[in-house]
Amino acid sequence: QKEVEQDPGPLSVPEGAIVSLNCTYSNSAFQYFMWYRQYSRKGPELLMYTYSSGNKEDGRFTAQVDKSSKYISLFIRDSQPSDSATYLCAMNAGNNRKLIWGLGTSLAVNP
Amino acid sequence: DVKVTQSSRYLVKRTGEKVFLECVQDMDHENMFWYRQDPGLGLRLIYFSYDVKMKEKGDIPEGYSVSREKKERFSLILESASTNQTSMYLCASSATATDTQYFGPGTRLTVL
Repeated sequence: QKEVEQDPGPLSVPEGAIVSLNCTYSNSAFQYFMWYRQYSRKGPELLMYTYSSGNKEDGRFTAQVDKSSKYISLFIRDSQPSDSATYLCAMNAGNNRKLIWGLGTSLAVNP
Repeated sequence: DVKVTQSSRYLVKRTGEKVFLECVQDMDHENMFWYRQDPGLGLRLIYFSYDVKMKEKGDIPEGYSVSREKKERFSLILESASTNQTSMYLCASSATATDTQYFGPGTRLTVL
């Protein structure tokens, strides 16, 4: 079993839809949780960074961490065609420099 | 803004050639990383460095070596390129162990 599981999709939604992206993990020591967005032929860029449990909101994006269920989510409200990208979750226990990555979910938002 | 640059966007090499991929960051970050990214396999860590002249193996170091002579520069070396090293190579840097990793644009390497 991988340490981090992420459904690769692809996910296709109409413009304006609410998108939910998810990752599950097995290591209860993870404390730092990140979502990265990667456009085609580009490097990943950080979208959201959360420490421990709870919600964090930034514009149309909300990150949720449920440590009891070992589950993290990224919600995108009012999705736009410019949100079409691959979304990768990553996490770290804080005791080393290595991030553990999900495989990424490919999202297409159709106009 | 943090900037991470990689020496080439696209590179084509022959089997057996020695290949150098260079990465430079301008934010005085302590940590630098080399990943490769393949469809269905995601991002896999090759090597990372937490200080000048220091390096640690990642998850797939075989066939690769690295060099960090200056804080801002981290090089990935393929001693004898093979076709199974055809991939997208991504460099990243971070200020601390748990801080955001900032990525370069990637080098698409094809080994023929």
